Amino acid sequence: GDSVTQMEGPVTLSEEAFLTINCTYTATGYPSLFWYVQYPGEGLQLLLKATKADDKGSNKGFEATYRKETTSFHLEKGSVQVSDSAVYFCALINGNNRLAFGKGNQVVVIP
Amino acid sequence: GAVVSQHPSWVICKSGTSVKIECRSLDFQATTMFWYRQFPKQSLMLMATSNEGSKATYEQGVEKDKFLINHASLTLSTLTVTSAHPEDSSFYICSARDPTRTARTFGGTQYFGPGTRLTVL
Repeated sequence: GDSVTQMEGPVTLSEEAFLTINCTYTATGYPSLFWYVQYPGEGLQLLLKATKADDKGSNKGFEATYRKETTSFHLEKGSVQVSDSAVYFCALINGNNRLAFGKGNQVVVIP
Repeated sequence: GAVVSQHPSWVICKSGTSVKIECRSLDFQATTMFWYRQFPKQSLMLMATSNEGSKATYEQGVEKDKFLINHASLTLSTLTVTSAHPEDSSFYICSARDPTRTARTFGGTQYFGPGTRLTVL
C-alpha cells in the first residue's frame, strides 16, 4: 500500500540555520504530496503541497519539490526561526482519497 | 483557515469504562470527518471515515464495536471508545473536510483538530 517515510529522530538546530527534512514515498500512480505542521497544542495545518511531478510547493519560507524520479518530497527552509519549532508531517493522498502520513519530525530551533 | 475543535483535550479513565470524544467543525459544514490514531513516535493511522447521516467506514483491523462513530450533524462527529483497556491509550485526532473547497487535492481541504490524549488505567 501507499506509505511515507520520514527521516528518523528529532531535529535540533540554531536560529537562522538551514533546515532539511527528508521524505520519501511509495505509491502507485500519481499521488499528491503534502507537508503538514503541528505547533504545540494545535491541530495539524497544511504547510504546502504539490500535485504533480516537478511541482514546487512553498509557504512561509518553506519549500518542497515533487521528485518522481527519486520518489521524494524533502522539506527545506533557508533560515529557521524559533517560531518554526513544531512537528512536521509528510503525507500523500492517492486515488483512494485517504491521507497517508509519515511519522513526523520534531523540529526544535534554539535561539 | 477553518477551525476544528475536539473535546476533551485529554481524558483519563478506568479500564472497562467508555469514553466519548467530540469533534466539531466550527465555521463550516463537514459532510465527511476522519478519525485518526497516533501512537508515540508513530504516524497518524486512519481509523475510520465518517459521513454525515450514514454509517462510518472503518479501516481494516479497526474494531467497529469498540470504536463507535456517530456523525449525526454536519458539524459534529463523536468517537466512543467502549470498554476501554490500557492498550487503547493513545492520541486520537479528527479532521473534517470542507466540501466547498476544491476536490482535486482532498488533503488540502482537511482541517485537523488538536487531538485528544486518552489514558486508560
